[in-house]
Amino acid sequence: DGGITQSPKYLFRKEGQNVTLSCEQNLNHDAMYWYRQDPGQGLRLIYYSQIVNDFQKGDIAEGYSVSREKKESFPLTVTSAQKNPTAFYLCASRKEVTGNTIYFGEGSWLTVV
Amino acid sequence: SQKIEQNSEALNIQEGKTATLTCNYTNYSPAYLQWYRQDPGRGPVFLLLIRENEKEKRKERLKVTFDTTLKQSLFHITASQPADSATYLCALIGAGGFKTIFGAGTRLFVKA
Repeated sequence: DGGITQSPKYLFRKEGQNVTLSCEQNLNHDAMYWYRQDPGQGLRLIYYSQIVNDFQKGDIAEGYSVSREKKESFPLTVTSAQKNPTAFYLCASRKEVTGNTIYFGEGSWLTVV
Repeated sequence: SQKIEQNSEALNIQEGKTATLTCNYTNYSPAYLQWYRQDPGRGPVFLLLIRENEKEKRKERLKVTFDTTLKQSLFHITASQPADSATYLCALIGAGGFKTIFGAGTRLFVKA
């Protein structure tokens, strides 16, 4: 079945540690996105990529990094520079840029310990 | 700055009644408006899209209205069921079609 796979579902990060969240899609979508969701807030855009080897910062990119070496994959690294990383992270993709439906993965919970 | 407001208080209704959720926005002129459903600990799932030149869109028990003058969308679920209990997110997409802005969502509880 086509879809977006995020892993791991739950991840714990120690202070000063970088962690990477995986996102893979087999929908043949060009655009991919990373959102962060905090309780009582809307989804906030971290990074997005419209084509392979290209990505742009979203509204809250500080402390995060991404890569887009393959069309199917868009991993997100939460660096030690992100001071408040505990959140629910959602990867998403879209076939075309204009107006189309965004498809989401099941999300990854990141907790700082 | 662009802002989307959805009722932060949970909506509690009785099974069989119509649930109405509100999405208001400011400082934005969306070309499209979408509604998503999100269950706890899961990713949002697309429900409906309505364009700026459309007043109303229906899909089975769902109905969405879009008033660009009032800058408001209403989302209705008729004959509601306990399985409809979830958080519903409103999303706006600009004319360029790329950037999508999400509201915080409204939690709906349908009691049997």
